[in-house]
Amino acid sequence: EAGVAQSPRYKIIEKRQSVAFWCNPISGHATLYWYQQILGQGPKLLIQFQNNGVVDDSQLPKDRFSAERLKGVDSTLKIQPAKLEDSAVYLCASSPSILARYEQYFGPGTRLTVT
Amino acid sequence: AQSVTQLGSHVSVSEGALVLLRCNYSSSVPPYLFWYVQYPNQGLQLLLKYTSAATLVKGINGFEAEFKKSETSFHLTKPSAHMSDAAEYFCAVTIMDSNYQLIWGAGTKLIIKP
Repeated sequence: EAGVAQSPRYKIIEKRQSVAFWCNPISGHATLYWYQQILGQGPKLLIQFQNNGVVDDSQLPKDRFSAERLKGVDSTLKIQPAKLEDSAVYLCASSPSILARYEQYFGPGTRLTVT
Repeated sequence: AQSVTQLGSHVSVSEGALVLLRCNYSSSVPPYLFWYVQYPNQGLQLLLKYTSAATLVKGINGFEAEFKKSETSFHLTKPSAHMSDAAEYFCAVTIMDSNYQLIWGAGTKLIIKP
């Protein structure tokens, strides 16, 4: 079974530029999560999708971050414009629906450096 | 509200020694508890989980954890450390009413000395 795929793996941009990350969850997984992990901290949930609907985006800085999950499969997270404090690893995770929703499977992450 | 506290941002043990990583949680209702491992430049991998069945849970790579309700703890142990265990370990908690959102600890970096 293929795991969660993310791209790119690394990205370096200047502040005020925009950037987009892509995630393809495990086939059949209805729930998709985007996390931000700052060095030395645990992951922080940014947004949770159930199929193509948003379940929770309360911690997403909506003035600069946006995310979509068209067709309920892959997802894109965008930052525009980026700030220095956005430097972090962005993790995508997915989980099966109904049973075992609490089990999350993570992709390798995208390491973003904002200079 | 749920919370997770991991004692020690860094833990150093000798190869072959006992590994003990501490996790305490706070939850007003019965929780589900997890340990995840993160190797350098990789995503998080589920190590083991407690979901209200047996209180002693065995995971991958020889790790196990015991749920102790009276102590609100879910410490991770391994009898004999191996160099390949060097990684960062995260404890997380969730409850059914939270839509299964995970609340994460800050992580403990495990260092193995040869």
